[in-house]
Amino acid sequence: GAVVSQHPSWVICKSGTSVKIECRSLDFQATTMFWYRQFPKQSLMLMATSNEGSKATYEQGVEKDKFLINHASLTLSTLTVTSAHPEDSSFYICSARDPKGNSPLHFGNGTRLTVT
Amino acid sequence: AQSVTQPDIHITVSEGASLELRCNYSYGATPYLFWYVQSPGQGLQLLLKYFSGDTLVQGIKGFEAEFKRSQSSFNLRKPSVHWSDAAEYFCAVGPSNTGNQFYFGTGTSLTVIP
Repeated sequence: GAVVSQHPSWVICKSGTSVKIECRSLDFQATTMFWYRQFPKQSLMLMATSNEGSKATYEQGVEKDKFLINHASLTLSTLTVTSAHPEDSSFYICSARDPKGNSPLHFGNGTRLTVT
Repeated sequence: AQSVTQPDIHITVSEGASLELRCNYSYGATPYLFWYVQSPGQGLQLLLKYFSGDTLVQGIKGFEAEFKRSQSSFNLRKPSVHWSDAAEYFCAVGPSNTGNQFYFGTGTSLTVIP
């Protein structure tokens, strides 16, 4: 079964509003989670690394004020797209790694965001 | 620099035929290698992984991959493709320690002809 749960799976919002996406690790505690953005027919682009109890680390070119990340607990990270615009429409995927052993990254099922 | 190359953007095979998806990597440390599959509108599902040991690894859904250090490759294979295998396939490389990011290839889209 899924070990990383992402919610919602899809969302439609109006331009100028904010949208929150949740990523939960179900079977383990994740001190680090990762947020990716995927454009159609393209690979995953890492947006930021979410660190529990501290500030997220953003990749170059990602607007920190637009994509707010909060990792308030060991099992939950949230990505908030603020003042969304149509160009923010994309597929957002989170991932987390069980720190025990040689576990690979587990991915959520993604969130399809459409901004009208 | 770290990178993953999947030379084939799109591959079409007939159902029942064999399949090989190519993956080459460049990584400065001991690589952990992965293959993920993504169905349309879905997240990524792990097919298989290689950390160490036997260079031929078996995964789910009848897939296997072979790590060849001399060629910096980790090609994915399946002897007989099923129509349900049509999806996007991503090769990824990660560090040997935990907590850091992965590098993904650009993906190979697989179409299966009945």
